[in-house]
Amino acid sequence: NAGVTQTPKFQVLKTGQSMTLQCAQDMNHEYMSWYRQDPGMGLRLIHYSVGAGITDQGEVPNGYNVSRSTTEDFPLRLLSAAPSQTSVYFCASTPSQGVYGYTFGSGTRLTVV
Amino acid sequence: GESVGLHLPTLSVQEGDNSIINCAYSNSASDYFIWYKQESGKGPQFIIDIRSNMDKRQGQRVTVLLNKTVKHLSLQIAATQPGDSAVYFCAEMGKTSYDKVIFGPGTSLSVIP
Repeated sequence: NAGVTQTPKFQVLKTGQSMTLQCAQDMNHEYMSWYRQDPGMGLRLIHYSVGAGITDQGEVPNGYNVSRSTTEDFPLRLLSAAPSQTSVYFCASTPSQGVYGYTFGSGTRLTVV
Repeated sequence: GESVGLHLPTLSVQEGDNSIINCAYSNSASDYFIWYKQESGKGPQFIIDIRSNMDKRQGQRVTVLLNKTVKHLSLQIAATQPGDSAVYFCAEMGKTSYDKVIFGPGTSLSVIP
């Protein structure tokens, strides 16, 4: 099993550009989520999904969009990048939240200039 | 509001000594607690978990203690090794997939050879 795979690992965007951060897991986990990690702050939830076809907003959803067409994939879309979105993004999955811990991807470091 | 916090943002220990990393939580309804380790440039990695019906749980060289009376969680690492140098996060969550997971900002552990 590869676990949770995120691509790309690094990305530089210009303000206003859009892009998609990819996340895939091969563990048949129902629950997937996206977090951003900023210096001095804990992981903050952007969006999450409890299963294919179901998504919901987290703590900081503005400027991001997600979809969950399959159990395996959970892409995160930046609609119009802003410098405030400069961060490290982590995708995570679990068979069932509240029962098991998360498996995290290795992260995408995004810089918006 | 609800929060998970860490008493010490940084911790330096001598190789071979025991390390103790602390975490305070404020939601008495939280049911499940997890410690994660994050090495530089990598995603958080599950270390150990504990449920609210337990006071102590042991793993390989790690022990988690839960004191529900004072809403305190700690991670003890025995015989700390250089490979233990990382940022450690605590996280709390409720019982269902829809409950919010709260991550602390992290404690940086440095092991002095």
